[in-house]
Amino acid sequence: DTAVSQTPKYLVTQMGNDKSIKCEQNLGHDTMYWYKQDSKKFLKIMFSYNNKELIINETVPNRFSPKSPDKAHLNLHINSLELGDSAVYFCASSQAGYSGAAFFGQGTRLTVV
Amino acid sequence: DAKTTQPPSMDCAEGRAANLPCNHSTISGNEYVYWYRQIHSQGPQYIIHGLKNNETNEMASLIITEDRKSSTLILPHATLRDTAVYYCIVRVSMNRDDKIIFGKGTRLHILP
Repeated sequence: DTAVSQTPKYLVTQMGNDKSIKCEQNLGHDTMYWYKQDSKKFLKIMFSYNNKELIINETVPNRFSPKSPDKAHLNLHINSLELGDSAVYFCASSQAGYSGAAFFGQGTRLTVV
Repeated sequence: DAKTTQPPSMDCAEGRAANLPCNHSTISGNEYVYWYRQIHSQGPQYIIHGLKNNETNEMASLIITEDRKSSTLILPHATLRDTAVYYCIVRVSMNRDDKIIFGKGTRLHILP
């Protein structure tokens, strides 16, 4: 039973296409995140949602649109993909108001050609 | 920006204890110290966290100085599988807008 699962694991697509990455957590957490790790290996937060409500939006281009249909799912849709969007995208979840750990998925490696 | 400072890299012999330092001189009273690691582009993995007291679990020990301005993660018997980037993070974790901010971490090489 994977705690935080992302699909797909790999995604290769052409510039200008639109693609989605899905994330699901079975931990009962109320907060979910998207992080981006670029070629220099820096992990940067993009978004967070708490109970389906957008909480954090870290100056991400509006081509990126997260959607949370329920608190167990947080999907990331990317329009008009650019070469610079190539990165590994990680989903994570945690419980607000609790000092426990955040758990991360295994990542989606997006390559834009 | 990350509120922690870590050495960029460290080496440790297999079977020995790996001691990874972290400075967090501006830590607030309600901020916890967390350690995560990332093995070869896998998802970051939680290791341990603490507020004031030293903590130990099956993976590691966390030693926090009395003034809480620094801490040390100890892997008691390092193995080759412990080769990874280790991140020290401070966060409040009690708010909805809490975010985990990663710095550059320490790249730990376990030498055979």
